[in-house]
Parts: sequence; C-alpha cells; structure tokens
Amino acid sequence: KQEVTQIPAALSVPEGENLVLNCSFTDSAIYNLQWFRQDPGKGLTSLLLIQSSQREQTSGRLNASLDKSSGRSTLYIAASQPGDSATYLCAVDFGNEKLTFGTGTRLTIIP
Amino acid sequence: EAQVTQNPRYLITVTGKKLTVTCSQNMNHEYMSWYRQDPGLGLRQIYYSMNVEVTDKGDVPEGYKVSRKEKRNFPLILESPSPNQTSLYFCASSFAGRFTEAFFGQGTRLTVV
Repeated sequence: KQEVTQIPAALSVPEGENLVLNCSFTDSAIYNLQWFRQDPGKGLTSLLLIQSSQREQTSGRLNASLDKSSGRSTLYIAASQPGDSATYLCAVDFGNEKLTFGTGTRLTIIP
Repeated sequence: EAQVTQNPRYLITVTGKKLTVTCSQNMNHEYMSWYRQDPGLGLRQIYYSMNVEVTDKGDVPEGYKVSRKEKRNFPLILESPSPNQTSLYFCASSFAGRFTEAFFGQGTRLTVV
C-alpha cells in the first residue's frame, strides 16, 4: 500500500532557528512530491513541487529535498519566524490520479 | 488572480437534506478533484475528473456525486447527507499530466446534524 508518513505530528521551535520537517513514503516510484502549508480556517497553500527527476527545490527561506531511493523528503526552513506557524503537509503523486497526503506536522514558532 | 473558489465556506445542515458544494477554477485546468480531511486520517480523495464529462471515483466516493459539465466547474453533491459526512472538504485543480502543481481551494467546513 502506498503511504505517506510525517513525523513528528507537532513541533515547537524558538524564533530564529533553522528547522527540518520530515516526510517518508513507501513506494520509490513517484512522479512528484509537493509540500503544502495549511493555516487554521484557510485552504492549502502550495509551497514547493519537486519532480521525480529532481533532488531539491528552493523558494526563499524554504528548501525541499527528495531522495527517492530512501523514500524520504525534507522541508528545511531557515531563520524561522512566528508567521511560519502552521501545519505542513507532504503529498505524493504515485501515478494513480490522486495525491496521497501525510497527516502533517503542526509547527509552532515561539517568539 | 489564479485561484480555486469553493462555496460555501461553512455549512450546517440536517441529515437527509440535499446539498451542493460548488468549486470553480480560473486556470483552464483539465484535472479537478475533491478531498475530505478528517482528524488523524489526513486528506482522502472522493472523486476526480480528467476533463469535461469524465469523472471517476476516488478512495471514499460513497454518499457523494459529482458532475463536470464545464471545464471550470466541478460541484460536489450530497444527495442525502449523514453525520459521518461531517468534514472539511477541499477542491483541487491542475493541468493534466504527471508533472504539474496542484492548487487547492479554501475549504468548506460541513457539519451534518
């Protein structure tokens, strides 16, 4: 069964620190992987999309990496800010006409 | 502005009263889909559509219907809602193909009493 796992479910970090969020998936035959941000009462905001042929993608303070052979992706956030507090979701396209989501990591940045 | 728009954002209804949640996108995307999000279960796909008049079941289609008469719209229909359909619903769209970014709507929080 194709599954996506995100551990830990919650993370608290002091403002200004760099941090890494983890995503693991069970099948290395993926088409792409996408990181989203979800704020309470709001929708999903796409952060980064990594194609299966890529190793990493960067957008501002965010850097996402992909290692298909080990079934892992990481989202690196540099110099964290209180506005980064949100739930971060990892979603994988396994080629079956849908995105398979992890249950997310709820991130709290402590001022 | 490129966006996926869902309406309503919040809805409380009673068991058995038919309802429709609308979804519209302005990006000329071929692919659209519906997900529901429940605590501890993450997002699960309900239905998807590869193009106009082409729809198919996702992982949790029971109790739902969809239609795709126009490229931009993909409504979700609950013919006889039940309390177990209380959830947060998301509509998504993307260009067809394997290498494209998915865009999501703001979500519809549905409560069935």
